[in-house]
Amino acid sequence: NAGVTQTPKFQVLKTGQSMTLQCAQDMNHEYMSWYRQDPGMGLRLIHYSVGAGITDQGEVPNGYNVSRSTTEDFPLRLLSAAPSQTSVYFCASVKELGGEQFFGPGTRLTVL
Amino acid sequence: SQKIEQNSEALNIQEGKTATLTCNYTNYSPAYLQWYRQDPGRGPVFLLLIRENEKEKRKERLKVTFDTTLKQSLFHITASQPADSATYLCALHSNSGYALNFGKGTSLLVTP
Repeated sequence: NAGVTQTPKFQVLKTGQSMTLQCAQDMNHEYMSWYRQDPGMGLRLIHYSVGAGITDQGEVPNGYNVSRSTTEDFPLRLLSAAPSQTSVYFCASVKELGGEQFFGPGTRLTVL
Repeated sequence: SQKIEQNSEALNIQEGKTATLTCNYTNYSPAYLQWYRQDPGRGPVFLLLIRENEKEKRKERLKVTFDTTLKQSLFHITASQPADSATYLCALHSNSGYALNFGKGTSLLVTP
């Protein structure tokens, strides 16, 4: 099993550009989440999904969209990138409520 | 509001000693608490989960305690090694229960 994979590893955007951060898992987990990690702020929940077709907002959802068309994939879309979205983004999945979360390797995004 | 607090100051200890990290929380009634390890440039990795009805849990050199009255968890690494140097994150389930809220983490440095 590859676990949780994320692409790209690094990305530089200009303000106003759009992009999609990809996340996939091959463990057949129903629950997936996106977090961002900033120095001094820790990991903060952006959006999460409890299954295909079901998503909800976390602590910091503004500026981000998600969809979940399959169990395996949970992409995160930035519609109009802003410098405040410069961060490291982690995708995670979990098999059951309260279970071990498996994290991807992260995407380091810089918005100029 | 809900808060998870970990000592923001780095903990420096000598190899062979026991490292003790603290996690305090407010405005939670958690069913469980989790600890993760994060190395630079990588995603968090799950270490231990302790449930509200468990006072203590052990895994090899790791020990976690959970005091729901004090609203505190202690994370111990006995016989510490330089390879234990990392950031350790405490996590509680989010309001939805499907994702986690994290503390900001404590950096541990074990010197030979």
